[in-house]
Amino acid sequence: RKEVEQDPGPFNVPEGATVAFNCTYSNSASQSFFWYRQDCRKEPKLLMSVYSSGNEDGRFTAQLNRASQYISLLIRDSKLSDSATYLCVVKYRDDKIIFGKGTRLHILP
Amino acid sequence: NAGVTQTPKFRVLKTGQSMTLLCAQDMNHEYMYWYRQDPGMGLRLIHYSVGEGTTAKGEVPDGYNVSRLKKQNFLLGLESAAPSQTSVYFCASSRPGTQNIQYFGAGTRLSVL
Repeated sequence: RKEVEQDPGPFNVPEGATVAFNCTYSNSASQSFFWYRQDCRKEPKLLMSVYSSGNEDGRFTAQLNRASQYISLLIRDSKLSDSATYLCVVKYRDDKIIFGKGTRLHILP
Repeated sequence: NAGVTQTPKFRVLKTGQSMTLLCAQDMNHEYMYWYRQDPGMGLRLIHYSVGEGTTAKGEVPDGYNVSRLKKQNFLLGLESAAPSQTSVYFCASSRPGTQNIQYFGAGTRLSVL
C-alpha cells in the first residue's frame, strides 16, 4: 500500500455544487496533515492544515479520521476558480513529509 | 516579499551537460528541499537539508548533488544530465516543528535532449 493515496480524478463538478475527496495514509506514525493546492504549471501552495477536531476555512472544510487513517476535503458552493489539483500531505514525527499525487478538480460553468 | 526564488525558470540541456539550479529563500527557514514533479508521479523528494552545511538524500537522489553553504541558499547540481532528468524541479523551504509548512518556488522546467 502506498504511503499516501488519492483518487487522481478528474472530478468534473458543476459550479455551485459541493465536492469532497479523501486521502488515505498507511503509516500511523503521522503527526500533521495538510491540503495543498496546485494550479496548472504553478507551484503547490498551502490550502489548509487539518486538525484533529476538523477545521473550516470559508467554503472549505477539512477533517481527519485517525482510526481509519484518512483525511478529507469538502468544498461547498464551488467556484470556477477552485479548478486545480489538490495535494494531500502527511508529515511524520521525524519530519519526513510525503505528498500524495493529487486529485484533479474541474469546475464546469 | 520574495519568499522562495528559483533560477533559472527554464533550461534546455544536451545529454551529458552539467548545470546548477539555485534556490534562495529570505524567510530564515532552517529546512530546504528539492523535488521533481513528473506527470502521474507527483512530487518526489530528491535531496533536503535541515540546516546550513547539512544535506541528506531523499527518495530519488541518483544523478543529483546538492550543497547548502549558506542558510538562505540550496543548490541542486546535475553533473551529467540525462533525458530521464527532464522534469519540473521545485525548491521549498520550511521551519521545523509540528506544522512544517512548506513554501515553494515557482519551479524550473528542465528539458534534456
